[in-house]
Amino acid sequence: GAGVSQTPSNKVTEKGKYVELRCDPISGHTALYWYRQSLGQGPEFLIYFQGTGAADDSGLPNDRFFAVRPEGSVSTLKIQRTERGDSAVYLCASSLRAGQETQYFGPGTRLLVL
Amino acid sequence: GDSVTQMEGPVTLSEEAFLTINCTYTATGYPSLFWYVQYPGEGLQLLLKATKADDKGSNKGFEATYRKETTSFHLEKGSVQVSDSAVYFCALHPNYGQNFVFGPGTRLSVLP
Repeated sequence: GAGVSQTPSNKVTEKGKYVELRCDPISGHTALYWYRQSLGQGPEFLIYFQGTGAADDSGLPNDRFFAVRPEGSVSTLKIQRTERGDSAVYLCASSLRAGQETQYFGPGTRLLVL
Repeated sequence: GDSVTQMEGPVTLSEEAFLTINCTYTATGYPSLFWYVQYPGEGLQLLLKATKADDKGSNKGFEATYRKETTSFHLEKGSVQVSDSAVYFCALHPNYGQNFVFGPGTRLSVLP
């Protein structure tokens, strides 16, 4: 079966621009997670959804970052007024349900802000 | 807050050598512990996990034992192969929260 997919795989943008990153979870998985992985670091939690609602957004670094999951499946991470420090790999993961479940990761979107 | 510490890399070994990658954690309560692996050009994949003290996770010749007394979850393999070259991440999942806490990763290079 299909795994977690993310688009685009690479995104280059200019400082100050708006970007959207998309995640398509494994079918039937109700929990969806976003992480950010900077070069040489482990993934850092940003936000997670249980169904359509953001159950925990404590990892979002500031109000330029926002994520939605309107129908409980596909999710979009939105970054406004991008800064060079936003450059990283953005990872999406899904699990059957929230809790101590194995999370399945997508390949990531590599964002470069010039 | 919860945290995971891993030995710094890169680790370079010859094929068939013994591998240990140390991992220790700080957490409230009784987290589940995981090792994820990231092969070149690929996404994170679950390698193994353990959900309670003294549990041993194993997969593809890799093993790790959940040691509550030393708050450790060291990864071991008796004989590494070139195909094991990757970045290995130790992670914990708190029993009160929903998100993972990852270590910084350890890059392993296995030479033929």
